[in-house]
Amino acid sequence: EVQLVQSGAEVKKPGESLKISCKGSGYSFTNYWIGWVRQMPGKGLEWMGIIYPDDSDTRYSPSFQGQVTISGDKSISTAYLQRSSLKASDTAMYYCARLGSSGRDLDYWGQGTLVTVSS
Amino acid sequence: QSVLTQPPSVSAAPGQKVTISCSGSSSNIGNNYVSWYQQLPGTAPKLLIFDNNKRPSGIPDRFSGSKSGTSATLGITGLQTGDEADYYCGTWDSSLSAGVFGGGTKLTVL
Repeated sequence: EVQLVQSGAEVKKPGESLKISCKGSGYSFTNYWIGWVRQMPGKGLEWMGIIYPDDSDTRYSPSFQGQVTISGDKSISTAYLQRSSLKASDTAMYYCARLGSSGRDLDYWGQGTLVTVSS
Repeated sequence: QSVLTQPPSVSAAPGQKVTISCSGSSSNIGNNYVSWYQQLPGTAPKLLIFDNNKRPSGIPDRFSGSKSGTSATLGITGLQTGDEADYYCGTWDSSLSAGVFGGGTKLTVL
């Protein structure tokens, strides 16, 4: 069974850094792109970027280029999303999801990681 | 402002049919496949339709997708109260070199 399990909820102060994880299982982790999606409170889905775990090839949406860092460790089947200098506006649910074999859709999703940034 | 345009909300009675539209451009829907996602309250999104009109295993045939030009449509027949959710279209945008989503449509089953 394909599963993506994300790290737990985070509460951070403005200016702090964040690193959340997404561990895949039940499939060949290195052979599928992993994407990150942001959902701000009460808002829609936003595509942040993707990583190919086998060679760490990473592509960012222009809206998030330079704002976040996507990385991976294929030895432990895990992808990461990092953000430094957090702001209150970074408060959101962050999802990881696997791109299907065609690379055209997000076929399996993690449960989401809620990040709250508040002083 | 989302790259793809969806109506904010639609509603229909149980047992009825509803359609949700998704409008884009030649850089996204016009030249790429469309997928649809269902997000039930408090849960992660789930893939509903891929490659414009294909259903993953386990998705009932009450759900259908179509695409024409730079627009796509999700259809749901035999509406059930359990279908109340937010629905998102998604595709690749060749100009942005990134995936894009619609703003989402809230379905209410009256």
